[in-house]
Amino acid sequence: GENVEQHPSTLSVQEGDSAVIKCTYSDSASNYFPWYKQELGKRPQLIIDIRSNVGEKKDQRIAVTLNKTAKHFSLHITETQPEDSAVYFCAASIWGNQFYFGTGTSLTVIP
Amino acid sequence: NAGVTQTPKFQVLKTGQSMTLQCAQDMNHEYMSWYRQDPGMGLRLIHYSVGAGITDQGEVPNGYNVSRSTTEDFPLRLLSAAPSQTSVYFCASSEGASGNTIYFGEGSWLTVV
Repeated sequence: GENVEQHPSTLSVQEGDSAVIKCTYSDSASNYFPWYKQELGKRPQLIIDIRSNVGEKKDQRIAVTLNKTAKHFSLHITETQPEDSAVYFCAASIWGNQFYFGTGTSLTVIP
Repeated sequence: NAGVTQTPKFQVLKTGQSMTLQCAQDMNHEYMSWYRQDPGMGLRLIHYSVGAGITDQGEVPNGYNVSRSTTEDFPLRLLSAAPSQTSVYFCASSEGASGNTIYFGEGSWLTVV
């Protein structure tokens, strides 16, 4: 089955700086890659996603890049704010039926 | 739409007891799944279903049963609870086709003592 690895497990940045979280996947058949944000005690919420026919996608301060050849994708958050502090999960999916998640990155934005 | 609804939100079980976590969605999604979340291990797929009457195992199915008699409901049964099943459980649903994301329920916090 698919194996998704996520790094780093913890990340601290100063407010206003950028944060980058990286994930790799093993199954070249994976074709959909969402990112989720989870605040303490809450459910994971989708923040951005990318399909395998696209190399990059941006939504305001958040962007995701995908390198299919190297089988890795990354989440970029610019101009970080304290409310960005949360746990972020990447995932890989084959045709939207099975989702495999990374182990999460705990992001702390220091005011 | 209520989205994905899970019950109960909190539960304490004794070792060996059985229980059912309920999950319902009102979005007419074909795909439903159950995950468990443990510290440092992310979300791991327990069981999933691609439609009524169809279920399959995920990464960590042992000790759990599921059924899908209707499109809306996907209960998760713990047959004989063990302390290793102490976890947060999330039910999720999606339209199932490629590129459709999954929506999570609010989670069920289960402690087995």
